[in-house]
Amino acid sequence: GAVVSQHPSWVICKSGTSVKIECRSLDFQATTMFWYRQFPKQSLMLMATSNEGSKATYEQGVEKDKFLINHASLTLSTLTVTSAHPEDSSFYICSATRQGRFQPQHFGDGTRLSIL
Amino acid sequence: QKEVEQNSGPLSVPEGAIASLNCTYSDRGSQSFFWYRQYSGKSPELIMFIYSNGDKEDGRFTAQLNKASQYVSLLIRDSQPSDSATYLCAVNLRGGADGLTFGKGTHLIIQP
Repeated sequence: GAVVSQHPSWVICKSGTSVKIECRSLDFQATTMFWYRQFPKQSLMLMATSNEGSKATYEQGVEKDKFLINHASLTLSTLTVTSAHPEDSSFYICSATRQGRFQPQHFGDGTRLSIL
Repeated sequence: QKEVEQNSGPLSVPEGAIASLNCTYSDRGSQSFFWYRQYSGKSPELIMFIYSNGDKEDGRFTAQLNKASQYVSLLIRDSQPSDSATYLCAVNLRGGADGLTFGKGTHLIIQP
């Protein structure tokens, strides 16, 4: 299989707090991981592409200084939402893909972030 | 701009019938195509992927791709109530190196 673990599942915190989300590929090495965000009743929107050992590539409109991504190993990528505010409340989902052409992305269980 | 279009539904299908879900995409250079199922409050689960024109079958599911028409579909045979979910069509431009562009999803309801 291709198992992607994401932690934590739920986060509720005060405005101004920084929140770190981990994404791990458990049974395969993922040179590339992706971070998505999903607001209620909407589809997933790609935030950034995370490549092991290099800087992440952010989609237009996503603030790189607010959403810090680190991909330090072939099995772990982290997303840190810095100084979170209520408008950052969303469902954050990571995915990972094996190396090779036409490989599908496998998603973690997601992190529901609520900023009070 | 990459766009993926789906009818949001809801699409209501009797149990045991065939559910047909459709998707069109705007970028003619798209390389690979995916169908994900998402239950409310959960993350997407891969159902099928396809990258060559024609049909691809996996159990009760068949994905169909027509690159000339920029159209991809998913057929679910012998629909079950547990198939009730939102089905997301996703497109990848470079066959794996890019993030996915998702449609807004079709809400499928299987009526017992």
